[in-house]
Amino acid sequence: SQQGEEDPQALSIQEGENATMNCSYKTSINNLQWYRQNSGRGLVHLILIRSNEREKHSGRLRVTLDTSKKSSSLLITASRAADTASYFCATDAQGAQKLVFGQGTRLTINP
Amino acid sequence: DTEVTQTPKHLVMGMTNKKSLKCEQHMGHRAMYWYKQKAKKPPELMFVYSYEKLSINESVPSRFSPECPNSSLLNLHLHALQPEDSALYLCASSREGQGRFEKLFFGSGTQLSVL
Repeated sequence: SQQGEEDPQALSIQEGENATMNCSYKTSINNLQWYRQNSGRGLVHLILIRSNEREKHSGRLRVTLDTSKKSSSLLITASRAADTASYFCATDAQGAQKLVFGQGTRLTINP
Repeated sequence: DTEVTQTPKHLVMGMTNKKSLKCEQHMGHRAMYWYKQKAKKPPELMFVYSYEKLSINESVPSRFSPECPNSSLLNLHLHALQPEDSALYLCASSREGQGRFEKLFFGSGTQLSVL
């Protein structure tokens, strides 16, 4: 079964606005990661947040993790057309030997 | 060099063909992965090699045969594929064999079409 579920499935905003994507998961985790994928290309790692961390920043990206709610959010501030991509969260379910990806959010930034 | 290089970028094959996908990294990473991704779906893990040994096989059909000749190279041999095997095949690597604890570096993928 899928460990991570993302919301919304698709998001379309104007350039310059902020974009927020959410990820919920089912079992305890050691860490949660976010990846970006441009159409038909490989995934690019954005941020890894550990289960004992609540918030991490990287440039225009802000990730939060709420282990009590089993959820995470990715905030992209001051969006740009180049941010248009699919964004996936990935988690390691407790006891699992692998990273499992959520369904992804397709983000479109309109110029 | 922080790249994972996959060849070919595109591949069209018939159901009776034999072909191979190749993946290479020179980051000194000790774990390498094959993922399969259908359109508008997340990547699904197929195989993991850790220190050149197969550590995870996600019950992948035998028509897919992985090979890790050395720590820098990963191949995926394809034989008698079905049209439903058409997908983007992604290779990834990580520093150690604990991909769930560390970030993965992905190649650009091979878009495979089976006719």
